Amino acid sequence: QQQVKQSPQSLIVQKGGISIINCAYENTAFDYFPWYQQFPGKGPALLIAIRPDVSEKKEGRFTISFNKSAKQFSLHIMDSQPGDSATYFCAASKDRAGSYQLTFGKGTKLSVIP
Amino acid sequence: KAGVTQTPRYLIKTRGQQVTLSCSPISGHRSVSWYQQTPGQGLQFLFEYFSETQRNKGNFPGRFSGRQFSNSRSEMNVSTLELGDSALYLCASSSLQGKGYTFGSGTRLTVV
Repeated sequence: QQQVKQSPQSLIVQKGGISIINCAYENTAFDYFPWYQQFPGKGPALLIAIRPDVSEKKEGRFTISFNKSAKQFSLHIMDSQPGDSATYFCAASKDRAGSYQLTFGKGTKLSVIP
Repeated sequence: KAGVTQTPRYLIKTRGQQVTLSCSPISGHRSVSWYQQTPGQGLQFLFEYFSETQRNKGNFPGRFSGRQFSNSRSEMNVSTLELGDSALYLCASSSLQGKGYTFGSGTRLTVV
């Protein structure tokens, strides 16, 4: 079974703090690791993605750290804001010319309190 | 640029019936994928279509099927509905440029 394990299930962070969500995967053939943000009543929206040839990628307040040998990757949200309160999903896939079959983690519900 | 459009947004069906869901991808996107989202199982891949051909299929029974038309619009069909098919069904489209999926807002299917 190809799995992506995500933790924690829920997270409460103070405004201005750092939110950290971790994921671990099993299939070494995966070469595309995106993070999605989902608000209630909406579909997931791509936040940031990384490929295994780099160990870190930063876009604004969002950073992915990737550890290929440990088969782990994590999302860091710096200066967390109440508007970041949402469910976050990590995922993994092989990327074949834009063809994906994402295996998702179970999600982390983030609450940022003022 | 319009996003991924899914219709209808909500559906209530009776056990044993069949249902068809529709997805219009972003203009220029030729790949369309479908996912099922439930509280228990999370997000699970159903299938992917590209140029009217099914390119990948997830681990779902044959009651779940789909197709893609020449304009890249896609439909998925679920026959002989079961209570456990109640879920949010998400469609996603992508280009060939490796920029990932864009998801629609989904169709919420309730089977009673």
